[in-house]
Formats: sequence, structure tokens, C-alpha cells
Amino acid sequence: AQRVTQPEKLLSVFKGAPVELKCNYSYSGSPELFWYVQYSRQRLQLLLRHISRESIKGFTADLNKGETSFHLKKPFAQEEDSAMYYCALSGGGNKLVFGAGTILRVKS
Amino acid sequence: KAGVTQTPRYLIKTRGQQVTLSCSPISGHRSVSWYQQTPGQGLQFLFEYFSETQRNKGNFPGRFSGRQFSNSRSEMNVSTLELGDSALYLCASSMDRDNYGYTFGSGTRLTVV
Repeated sequence: AQRVTQPEKLLSVFKGAPVELKCNYSYSGSPELFWYVQYSRQRLQLLLRHISRESIKGFTADLNKGETSFHLKKPFAQEEDSAMYYCALSGGGNKLVFGAGTILRVKS
Repeated sequence: KAGVTQTPRYLIKTRGQQVTLSCSPISGHRSVSWYQQTPGQGLQFLFEYFSETQRNKGNFPGRFSGRQFSNSRSEMNVSTLELGDSALYLCASSMDRDNYGYTFGSGTRLTVV
């Protein structure tokens, strides 16, 4: 079965502090992992995908197959990073399994 | 280029009625997927269409159906509406099976009363 777990419903940090949004997955094969972000009153948008190994808006995520994790990190949080973040998995085919999401609040 | 367009933005229906939602993907995108988003269940996959064929289906009852036209536009239909069908229905498009990443529409907010 495919499952994505985001253990924190809410993560609150101060501006300039490091951020780590946790994501663990369950999948027997080789998954594609994604992070999506939804800013207030905006549509869900792709933040990054593990296969690209890119950094978007200062965020990075490394796929750790041993720990089945794909945590999202940013060294210095900014107020505009406040949003809902979803980790998602694709086990093949265009079907995404989403985690429950984590609200990130960056306080000034 | 234009993004994924969903119509209508809002709908209010009564129990027992049926509803049809529409999605126009990004030009050139041939895969269209539908998701249901609720506070309790989060984002759940409904189905995916590619070249007018349903390729994947989620765990929803047969009251939920969809189709895709030759121009890649897609519709989903929910028959015999229940209160629990109240949700935000999101459409997403992508180029093909290679998972370049989906582009989502703004959604249709369905309220069943």
C-alpha cells in the first residue's frame, strides 16, 4: 500500500530560523516524491520533485530510501514561506497519494 | 500560457441531485486527474484520464465518474449526491505518465445541502 505521513499538523518557527517539514512514506517500489505548497487563497502548486534535485525558493528535499523519508528543509525561514505544505508520492502512473499536510507559520 | 481551468468555481446542490464539473487542462497536457479535498480526509485521488481512457481509479463509489474528450478537456460527474460529497474538487493536468509534476486548477467548491 502507498502511504504518506506528515507527522506535524502545524509547525511554527521564527523568521530566520531553520525549517524542516517531515515526510515519511510507505511504498515497496521506487517512488516519485513531490512537495506541493498552497499559499493562502492560491491554488496548489508544485514546489519540487525529488528526481530534479533542485532547490526552489531556498527549499531542498533529499530522498532517503533507507529511512523512507523525504523531508523538506530550508536554512532560513521567511514570512512569505507561511503556507500549507503537502508531501506526495507517486508509485507509477499519474496518481498522487498525499500526506495530510503541514501548516508552516513563520513568525516575525 | 493559460493554466488549468475549472468551472464552475462554486456549486450548491441538494441531496439526490447530480452534478457535472468541468476541467480544461494546460494546452498540450494529455493527462487529467481529479482529486477530492475535504478537511477530514485531505486530498484523495478520484481518477485519471489519458487520451480519453481512464488509466487509474481511486477508491470512490460508482456514483463518481468521469470522461475525457479528444481535446483533453475532462468532466467528472457525481450522481445521487450525498451530504458527504461536499468538498473542493481539484483537477490537475500533466504532459504524460512521466510525472513531470502536476499543475492544479483552483477547484470547484461543491456544497450539498
